[in-house]
Amino acid sequence: QSVLTQPPSVSGAPGQRVTISCTGSNSNTGTDHDVHWYQQLAGTAPKLLIFRNNNRPSGVPDRFSGSKSDTSASLVIAGLQAEDEADYYCQSYDSSMSAYVFGTGTQVTVL
Amino acid sequence: QLLESGGGLVQSGGSLRLSCAASGFTFGNFAMAWVRQGPGKGLEWVSSIHGGGDGIFYADFVKGRFTISRDNSNNVLHLQMNSLGADDTARYYCAKFEGSLLEHWYIDVWGRGTLVTVAS
Repeated sequence: QSVLTQPPSVSGAPGQRVTISCTGSNSNTGTDHDVHWYQQLAGTAPKLLIFRNNNRPSGVPDRFSGSKSDTSASLVIAGLQAEDEADYYCQSYDSSMSAYVFGTGTQVTVL
Repeated sequence: QLLESGGGLVQSGGSLRLSCAASGFTFGNFAMAWVRQGPGKGLEWVSSIHGGGDGIFYADFVKGRFTISRDNSNNVLHLQMNSLGADDTARYYCAKFEGSLLEHWYIDVWGRGTLVTVAS
């Protein structure tokens, strides 16, 4: 049971900007716990996309950016490209559960 | 850098032991985890273990059934799974944690996963 809520799907035309939200509660995203984002292309393992709210690992294009405010976090893809079609998951730590938690996942479709 | 093995088909109530061979980093310096993904479902954290093997944590749905362990001499992570049920059917990923504090950890390396199918 995911405790972080994401929209099931978002879509956009190539070049457009899309935003994926990740909403939690005071015991996870509402604390100072960081939010991280993963991209999962079809049939492959997840890949780290954003760590510690707004940091990109080496090799991740700068069209991907993250932010966090209060109990929510957001992933923005600015300038959507065909290869961005994938599932995206947020992740944080929940103090009340003493567990790492993932978001429900968002499928991004490039029209 | 992370290669899982041990998955397969098992009857409900049965057991399996997953292994994950790590390479390319100093294994004993990092916490490790198992994350699973059911067919058509999202990601679920299963268990994690600190680098020295001292801190061990489990998701509520596997407590008392699964046991995580590591062999730092041979760079291997294990997950012993007992009393398996249909809900445990999933691809199980081995994962390496990164970060300074437990509350800020994230996964920077994932294996390709090993498929576990529990027949009811």
